[in-house]
Amino acid sequence: DAGVTQSPTHLIKTRGQQVTLRCSPKSGHDTVSWYQQALGQGPQFIFQYYEEEERQRGNFPDRFSGHQFPNYSSELNVNALLLGDSALYLCASSLDPATGELFFGEGSRLTVL
Amino acid sequence: AQSVTQPDIHITVSEGASLELRCNYSYGATPYLFWYVQSPGQGLQLLLKYFSGDTLVQGIKGFEAEFKRSQSSFNLRKPSVHWSDAAEYFCAVGESSNNFNKFYFGSGTKLNVKP
Repeated sequence: DAGVTQSPTHLIKTRGQQVTLRCSPKSGHDTVSWYQQALGQGPQFIFQYYEEEERQRGNFPDRFSGHQFPNYSSELNVNALLLGDSALYLCASSLDPATGELFFGEGSRLTVL
Repeated sequence: AQSVTQPDIHITVSEGASLELRCNYSYGATPYLFWYVQSPGQGLQLLLKYFSGDTLVQGIKGFEAEFKRSQSSFNLRKPSVHWSDAAEYFCAVGESSNNFNKFYFGSGTKLNVKP
């Protein structure tokens, strides 16, 4: 049973560019969340998707947007990249939000130059 | 506002010694509490969780944690540390409802294990 998979694992962009990160949830999971983990920090909640809609959003600007597809996979898009967007972006999936348990992928490491 | 504090940024223990990692939370309702471990280049792996009931919870890899409501704490313990336990540990409080859940993470404690 494959866990949460993310791509790409590493990427380098320059300021002002746009980036798309991808996530396939654990088999059978229908809810996908995205977190940003800056160096030396804990992960911070960006947003959560369920049934192709954004359910909840953390304190991130509109430059951060997402999408969920009918097969539950998800994308995170960041426009107009800033140096401060450099971070590890983690995708997490869950089946039953009431249990609160999240399963995390290994992340996509974004470096903005 | 919900928040999690991990007071210790780095901890070094000798292999075979006991370990306690501290976690304090701020949350208005009954918290869902978690400990995750992150090895270099890896995602977060769940060690254990507390939802309700027995305040001492057992997890994987020999870890346990105790929920103390009066102290707003959820400290992680292990009686004998192995070299493979060297990693970063994150405490989290989960905010859940019928249709969403999100976690608030602490800033992590990096554990070094001396031979």
